[in-house]
Amino acid sequence: DTEVTQTPKHLVMGMTNKKSLKCEQHMGHRAMYWYKQKAKKPPELMFVYSYEKLSINESVPSRFSPECPNSSLLNLHLHALQPEDSALYLCASSQDVGNSNQPQHFGDGTRLSIL
Amino acid sequence: KQEVTQIPAALSVPEGENLVLNCSFTDSAIYNLQWFRQDPGKGLTSLLLIQSSQREQTSGRLNASLDKSSGRSTLYIAASQPGDSATYLCSPSDNYGQNFVFGPGTRLSVLP
Repeated sequence: DTEVTQTPKHLVMGMTNKKSLKCEQHMGHRAMYWYKQKAKKPPELMFVYSYEKLSINESVPSRFSPECPNSSLLNLHLHALQPEDSALYLCASSQDVGNSNQPQHFGDGTRLSIL
Repeated sequence: KQEVTQIPAALSVPEGENLVLNCSFTDSAIYNLQWFRQDPGKGLTSLLLIQSSQREQTSGRLNASLDKSSGRSTLYIAASQPGDSATYLCSPSDNYGQNFVFGPGTRLSVLP
């Protein structure tokens, strides 16, 4: 079991649906991240939150909308996605952004399929 | 922009062999380098973190070395076991210690 919990584990949605991915950690970490990972490729950074504020947006399309309601929760709201958005979405957290002594802790991801 | 390569892309070995996985990166202005393991359909698990001032780190049967000036790191796995089968990714940080870039990974299969 990982210390970063992601729900749901699997999600199938149509291109007109609206859904949300959820990520939760209780390690007191103040930095949280969303990554997108396609099959047999490394994770690609999407967003970084530091102390509940968005600090990095890697030019992600607006159909992906992140939200950090509190220091333990991170959401990714999805709307009007495209088939190429099908991927494994990983959430991670760390003590702080740029803290070289502390690694990122990853959840097991949400496997997203867009029909 | 940091470019990361890993060699080999895939490796299949019998149980008990000692292995070396290689990671190369183009920008040597890093603060640390991490090695991760990813099992199929799972997230990444941090194995070792080497700070730029260090040359190696050890954890059990794993040993990672870092040659920052030449842009290289190696992960040595001693006495491999079937449970070591996974994809291994390296991640050099930027100059602020942020590990946002990952290599393409080495897919390791250890046969019983």
